[in-house]
Order: sequence, then structure tokens, then C-alpha cells
Amino acid sequence: DQQVKQNSPSLSVQEGRISILNCDYTNSMFDYFLWYKKYPAEGPTFLISISSIKDKNEDGRFTVFLNKSAKHLSLHIVPSQPGDSAVYFCAASAEGNQFYFGTGTSLTVIP
Amino acid sequence: ETGVTQTPRHLVMGMTNKKSLKCEQHLGHNAMYWYKQSAKKPLELMFVYNFKEQTENNSVPSRFSPECPNSSHLFLHLHTLQPEDSALYLCASSPPSARTDTQYFGPGTRLTVL
Repeated sequence: DQQVKQNSPSLSVQEGRISILNCDYTNSMFDYFLWYKKYPAEGPTFLISISSIKDKNEDGRFTVFLNKSAKHLSLHIVPSQPGDSAVYFCAASAEGNQFYFGTGTSLTVIP
Repeated sequence: ETGVTQTPRHLVMGMTNKKSLKCEQHLGHNAMYWYKQSAKKPLELMFVYNFKEQTENNSVPSRFSPECPNSSHLFLHLHTLQPEDSALYLCASSPPSARTDTQYFGPGTRLTVL
């Protein structure tokens, strides 16, 4: 059973607007969450993380929000740029160094 | 060279072949991972090595055999694979305390089993 879900396989956004990527999880023991970005023919690269003791973490144009009661996190990119076009994976961890990944959301930012 | 490298980048093999995937990291990390990414599925963790010792084996079939001779190198030996094993195989590494450190991924090996 999939513990981390990204229900939107794709998203298109106009350049300059906000991109919102969503992720849901089922395991209430997860306490650390990350977002990765993946370009074609490259491995995923770390983007931003959040610990369960926070509900928001911001890094430049990227902000991750965590709603523990809803078991939901989201990644906001604002303003979106064409170079942000990639596949975005969310991942969650409960303990140790094992992370559970979602299926990814392919973001296209239209110039 | 820095980061995590994987060779080969592409591999086509028959079901009776034996091949190996190689991963090398130049980051001084002590943990290394093999993931499988199939189309429309999440990344699936296959194996974890911490300080060269295998600490996770997520019910991976024995036709996949990992080897970690030292902290910088990780191999995945393949034998009598099935067509459904065709996927992108990603290697990653991280410092030992990976709870708050990220995993650094290689570019992957695109495997096709005929």
C-alpha cells in the first residue's frame, strides 16, 4: 500500500504565477518530509525539507507547508519560471534512513 | 569528479544475461542505496548499506544481488531478470544521520530486459 501519494500526475502553470504541488501521506509516524526535483536524464535533486515540528519552511521562491492533522503537505513555487519545469517528488520518513516516495508530479511552466 | 555517478547509463539485456550496475560516490558518505523507479510508480527502495553493511532489503527478488565493497562503491548484480524488471535504477548516498540530511542521487541506469 502506497504510504505517500501525489494524486496529480501533471500540472501546467503560466510563468510568473504560483505553482502548488500536493502530497498526502497515510503513516502518522512520518515526521520528516522532503521535496525532490528531477529533470529528464538526471537523478532527483533535493529541493526543500520540513520537520513535523514546523508547519512551514521557506527557501527563496519555494515554500513547503505541512498540515499534520490532514496528513498533507504542499510545495508552493512563486513566481514560477520555465526552468522549474520538472518532475517533483515528495518523500517522507519515520525513522532510520528509509524514505517513502510519491509517484511524482510533472510540472510544466509555460512562458 | 564529485557527486554520485552511475554506469552504465543505459543497459539492454536478455533474460539469461548476467550484468552489473555500478555506483560510485565522491561525497564521503557512509550510507548508499539502490532504488527502482518504474513508470507511474513511486521510487521503491531496494537495498540500504550503512558503513558497508546491508541494513535494509525490501523483499527484493534474489535475481538482484547487491555488493558494497567499500563506502564509496555500490554494485547491483543482475541475473535472469524478467521483462517487468525494466526500469530506471537509481543509486543514492547520504551521511549516516540521514534523518535531517538529504540523499544525493546519481543519474540512474535505464535498464531494459528483453
